[in-house]
Amino acid sequence: QKEVEQNSGPLSVPEGAIASLNCTYSDRGSQSFFWYRQYSGKSPELIMFIYSNGDKEDGRFTAQLNKASQYVSLLIRDSQPSDSATYLCAVNPGANNLFFGTGTRLTVIP
Amino acid sequence: NAGVMQNPRHLVRRRGQEARLRCSPMKGHSHVYWYRQLPEEGLKFMVYLQKENIIDESGMPKERFSAEFPKEGPSILRIQQVVRGDSAAYFCASSEQRTSEYEQYFGPGTRLTVT
Repeated sequence: QKEVEQNSGPLSVPEGAIASLNCTYSDRGSQSFFWYRQYSGKSPELIMFIYSNGDKEDGRFTAQLNKASQYVSLLIRDSQPSDSATYLCAVNPGANNLFFGTGTRLTVIP
Repeated sequence: NAGVMQNPRHLVRRRGQEARLRCSPMKGHSHVYWYRQLPEEGLKFMVYLQKENIIDESGMPKERFSAEFPKEGPSILRIQQVVRGDSAAYFCASSEQRTSEYEQYFGPGTRLTVT
């Protein structure tokens, strides 16, 4: 059983729309949650992290965490073509490392 | 802005040769993690090290792979007798403290190609 599940996409949204990326995880003891953006051929770049239930906003990005449902999401408002990338959800279950989903490929159409 | 540094960025090895990948953590970070990313797959944890100590190597293949983080110098991931299946992107990440409290920041990666 995979620890972290994401829809692989591709997810296409028009420029200016809201992109919604979802992630579920299996370990109820997971403590911290991260969203990374990875452009093709590049390394993952940390864009958001969240530790507590609820919403956390940073600019155009909002992370949402629901531990009861074992669900974490990322909303990107006013999507731009430069947001086109693969978004990786990562979860720390209290271990020494992160468990990553396989990523959702987002395309923002101008 | 001294981020995580990795070298080489690209490495080509013939089957049976050794590959040595280096990682210098971000300034002020003492925790290093190595991950492997196969084409079209997610990042998989390999090993977690602090200076002079391997803390968790549960993701490391039992044979041919080893890692170290000496008191002086970068962390090194060593792959002996490489095979074609070792071709992948290898990423190093570092954190200020243990992951559950602190974020990990990734280096640019080393893309290993085994011919």
